[in-house]
Amino acid sequence: DAGVTQSPTHLIKTRGQQVTLRCSPKSGHDTVSWYQQALGQGPQFIFQYYEEEERQRGNFPDRFSGHQFPNYSSELNVNALLLGDSALYLCASSDRAGTEAFFGQGTRLTVV
Amino acid sequence: DAKTTQPPSMDCAEGRAANLPCNHSTISGNEYVYWYRQIHSQGPQYIIHGLKNNETNEMASLIITEDRKSSTLILPHATLRDTAVYYCIVVRRDDKIIFGKGTRLHILP
Repeated sequence: DAGVTQSPTHLIKTRGQQVTLRCSPKSGHDTVSWYQQALGQGPQFIFQYYEEEERQRGNFPDRFSGHQFPNYSSELNVNALLLGDSALYLCASSDRAGTEAFFGQGTRLTVV
Repeated sequence: DAKTTQPPSMDCAEGRAANLPCNHSTISGNEYVYWYRQIHSQGPQYIIHGLKNNETNEMASLIITEDRKSSTLILPHATLRDTAVYYCIVVRRDDKIIFGKGTRLHILP
């Protein structure tokens, strides 16, 4: 079992650009959550997807959007990138029973 | 906001038991206590969770007080690889995980 896989692992973008990050959940998991982790901080919840719909959302602007596909994989899109969006973006998957969440290794986004 | 309070940092000698405390005085009846850890530059890793009873697995033990207002994560024989930030999280089974600041555990050789 490959666990949760995220791509790419590292990314450098210019301020104002748009970025798409991808996540494949652990086999058997149907719920995907996204987190942003700034340097030295704990992960901050962005949103959660279940059955291809956004189920919960944290305190992030509309520039952050997502999508879940029928195979449960997910994308995180960030528009109009700001320098402050530089962070480690983590994806976590879980099953409907809500047992432990499994996290990917993250995508390190640097905005210059 | 995180519903837990943890010390910002702790030290433990290699080979000794590491006991990480967590206060969650406002925990609700249907909320579980989960522990995750994050080794530098990696994604968080699930350790253990519990509702009322003490729990043990191959990684750690979780001791929850009878009133459920606090808990302790025990790593029985700490190694250098256990150096990480440990997060105590209180959450309903079907809800999102909210991370606090965690405890930075240093294992000393």
